[in-house]
Amino acid sequence: EAGVAQSPRYKIIEKRQSVAFWCNPISGHATLYWYQQILGQGPKLLIQFQNNGVVDDSQLPKDRFSAERLKGVDSTLKIQPAKLEDSAVYLCASSLTTGELFFGEGSRLTVL
Amino acid sequence: DQQVKQNSPSLSVQEGRISILNCDYTNSMFDYFLWYKKYPAEGPTFLISISSIKDKNEDGRFTVFLNKSAKHLSLHIVPSQPGDSAVYFCAARREGNTPLVFGKGTRLSVIA
Repeated sequence: EAGVAQSPRYKIIEKRQSVAFWCNPISGHATLYWYQQILGQGPKLLIQFQNNGVVDDSQLPKDRFSAERLKGVDSTLKIQPAKLEDSAVYLCASSLTTGELFFGEGSRLTVL
Repeated sequence: DQQVKQNSPSLSVQEGRISILNCDYTNSMFDYFLWYKKYPAEGPTFLISISSIKDKNEDGRFTVFLNKSAKHLSLHIVPSQPGDSAVYFCAARREGNTPLVFGKGTRLSVIA
């Protein structure tokens, strides 16, 4: 069974530029999550999708972050404009309705 | 407001001995608890979980204990092996299709 796929693995941008991350969840997993992990911290939820609907985006900084999951499969997370404090690993995870989350390898963002 | 706390940032253990990683939580609505393991440059991988209706769950060398009255759980690894060296995250969720809330992690080093 293929795991959660994410790209790009690494991205370096200057502040005020934009960046987009892509995620392909495990086939059949209805729930998809984006987490942000800052160095030395645990993953923090940004947004949760159930199929193509948003379940929880209370911690998403909506002035600069956006995410979509068209057709209830792949998802993209966009940051525009980026700030220095957005430097982090962006983790995508998927799950069946309950149970454990399966994570991708993450996309490491460095904002200079 | 940290709902899941891992107060030990790091732990060092001799190979063959027991590793005990601790986790405290504040939200009494949490009813499912998980441990994830993370190697550098990889996403977190699921290790073991426990439901709030149990006080112990065992899987090979890994055992998780839950003390609901103290809002405390622990992960025991015995015997510890050098390949267990990683960052361990404690996570918890409320009932239903809710996201995981993570602690900051504990870095375990198993010394040969």
